[in-house]
Amino acid sequence: QLQLQESGPGLVKPSETLSLTCTVSGGSISSSDYYWAWIRQPPGKGLEWIGSIYYTGSTYYNPSLKSRVTISVDTSKNQFSLKLNSVTAADTAVYYCANKCTDPRIAVAGVHAFDIWGQGTMVTVSS
Amino acid sequence: NFMLTQPHSVSESPGKTVTISCTGSSGSIASNYVQWYQQRPGSAPTTVIYEDNQRPSGVPDRFSGSIDSSSNSASLTISGLKTEDEADYYCQSYDSSNHEVFGGGTKLTVL
Repeated sequence: QLQLQESGPGLVKPSETLSLTCTVSGGSISSSDYYWAWIRQPPGKGLEWIGSIYYTGSTYYNPSLKSRVTISVDTSKNQFSLKLNSVTAADTAVYYCANKCTDPRIAVAGVHAFDIWGQGTMVTVSS
Repeated sequence: NFMLTQPHSVSESPGKTVTISCTGSSGSIASNYVQWYQQRPGSAPTTVIYEDNQRPSGVPDRFSGSIDSSSNSASLTISGLKTEDEADYYCQSYDSSNHEVFGGGTKLTVL
């Protein structure tokens, strides 16, 4: 059973870089069966897709965040990570890692739904 | 940019039926699949509908999804409402550039 777990600092100062890691267990980060994503949710607000990375290394970013975001994979640690530069208070949110399954034969909810989510980690931007 | 618009909140009584809409801003919402997620306070979202109208295993058949091309909208319908259905619901789709889009979310109150 695939599981995802976010980790990283809970407090980041304004103008600094937010760095989070998602550790994948129960499956391989380099498998062609999966596609990995970061999604965030400011307190009391809705979900916002940040970006995604395929097993090929191809990345896709939310246009509104693209200039500040980098998503990468570390296959040796079975992890993928998020870096968000020049943060402000508006970046305060619960950050989730999630995946989509690319193989309809094993997908729980098709290949277009975010299938597995981490529990989320709260990141506050404050001095 | 492609956007999905949902009502901020809906409410209905137990046992009744409620429908939550999700309207696409441009193009045809029928061009790409729509998913629906349920999110309870303090928890990550879970899928209740995928590919417009499919239910994952374990989701009751009280939940159904549909697409109305005439209004460029997707809908989530929950029949036989239970108090446990009270949650936030989000629609989600994607555009031709592999950019994911979430609706703003709808708070369902079952009173």
